[in-house]
Amino acid sequence: GNSVTQMEGPVTLSEEAFLTINCTYTATGYPSLFWYVQYPGEGLQLLLKATKADDKGSNKGFEATYRKETTSFHLEKGSVQVSDSAVYFCALSVSGGGADGLTFGKGTHLIIQP
Amino acid sequence: DVKVTQSSRYLVKRTGEKVFLECVQDMDHENMFWYRQDPGLGLRLIYFSYDVKMKEKGDIPEGYSVSREKKERFSLILESASTNQTSMYLCASSLVRQHQPQHFGDGTRLSIL
Repeated sequence: GNSVTQMEGPVTLSEEAFLTINCTYTATGYPSLFWYVQYPGEGLQLLLKATKADDKGSNKGFEATYRKETTSFHLEKGSVQVSDSAVYFCALSVSGGGADGLTFGKGTHLIIQP
Repeated sequence: DVKVTQSSRYLVKRTGEKVFLECVQDMDHENMFWYRQDPGLGLRLIYFSYDVKMKEKGDIPEGYSVSREKKERFSLILESASTNQTSMYLCASSLVRQHQPQHFGDGTRLSIL
């Protein structure tokens, strides 16, 4: 079956630190990969996506590269801000169109201290 | 922007009640989904629908049913609510084309007493 593994945290960093949140996956077929972010009291928002090997998704200073050889999609940001504090979810879709639903990791709680 | 609206942010019900959670999307999306979110378990798919009156079971459908009478509306039904159904429920929608992301509502925090 399909699965996504990510560090759960909480991950605590100081403002302007470098961020890496690891995500690895197992999937049948060729998945599309996503990072979603959930701010307190809100639903999930799409942060970035990649649909094929070696694609790089980027948004708001965050980046992630689809690595088929290591089945990974690690999230990075060069300099985090307090406003980046949230829960981050890595997810995959095998159908590509999400028609079968997303498979999520358990989420990584990120805390950025001033 | 896509708007997915869930009818209630917070809901408190009693064991044994029949509970309806409503979700409406305004972007003519074909696919709609219901997930529940629990600490330590992440998000798990309950049911999804790819067209009006069509539905498919997700990973944890037991104790739930769904209804999709109109394209924009997808309802989750707890037939006889139990305390282990206390959770955050998230609705999402997406286009049917390949590689399309899902768009989520703000969630309904449901407590079953």
